[in-house]
Amino acid sequence: GAVVSQHPSWVICKSGTSVKIECRSLDFQATTMFWYRQFPKQSLMLMATSNEGSKATYEQGVEKDKFLINHASLTLSTLTVTSAHPEDSSFYICSARGTEAGGADTQYFGPGTRLTVL
Amino acid sequence: GQNIDQPTEMTATEGAIVQINCTYQTSGFNGLFWYQQHAGEAPTFLSYNVLDGLEEKGRFSSFLSRSKGYSYLLLKELQMKDSASYLCAVNDQGGKLIFGQGTELSVKP
Repeated sequence: GAVVSQHPSWVICKSGTSVKIECRSLDFQATTMFWYRQFPKQSLMLMATSNEGSKATYEQGVEKDKFLINHASLTLSTLTVTSAHPEDSSFYICSARGTEAGGADTQYFGPGTRLTVL
Repeated sequence: GQNIDQPTEMTATEGAIVQINCTYQTSGFNGLFWYQQHAGEAPTFLSYNVLDGLEEKGRFSSFLSRSKGYSYLLLKELQMKDSASYLCAVNDQGGKLIFGQGTELSVKP
């Protein structure tokens, strides 16, 4: 159980275009999902917290108009990178909050999306 | 501020035991997690500690001392497939995970 999927797994786009990434919890409902980005050899940096039915909460320094987040259902959150530029190239990972055996509130991660902006 | 420290890299031999340390200073604390991440893949959950003491799960064990702001992940009977990055993360009570920079473990034959 506790499987999270992401689509697409990789995408290459031209500068100035928009890219949408989907994150789905496959076998559980997630009222809260998180979006991270990770640069090579670095750790995960939280971008925003996505709550079902309400606006996302963005971390300091993350432009909400550039990284649009929609959490329309209990199993789906989307991240849209608008007007992408080469510096947006990164590994984007989502996670969904669930409950581990024993009751631990944990996050389950999707497989990630590799975005390359040319 | 929020600060989580772990060694950048470690090397160990197949069949051996390795301990990866993590120290943290965070404004809130609601548990500490260890994740394993292979290159190009997403992190996978390894362990969770919220109370002081040792949690054992097969070849992996994790220890927590809240008073010292310290945790370690112990890997026994190392296998080549254990070569990966190991991430220490603290749940800051707001439900957000704050990650350390990760420890790159190389297991050699």
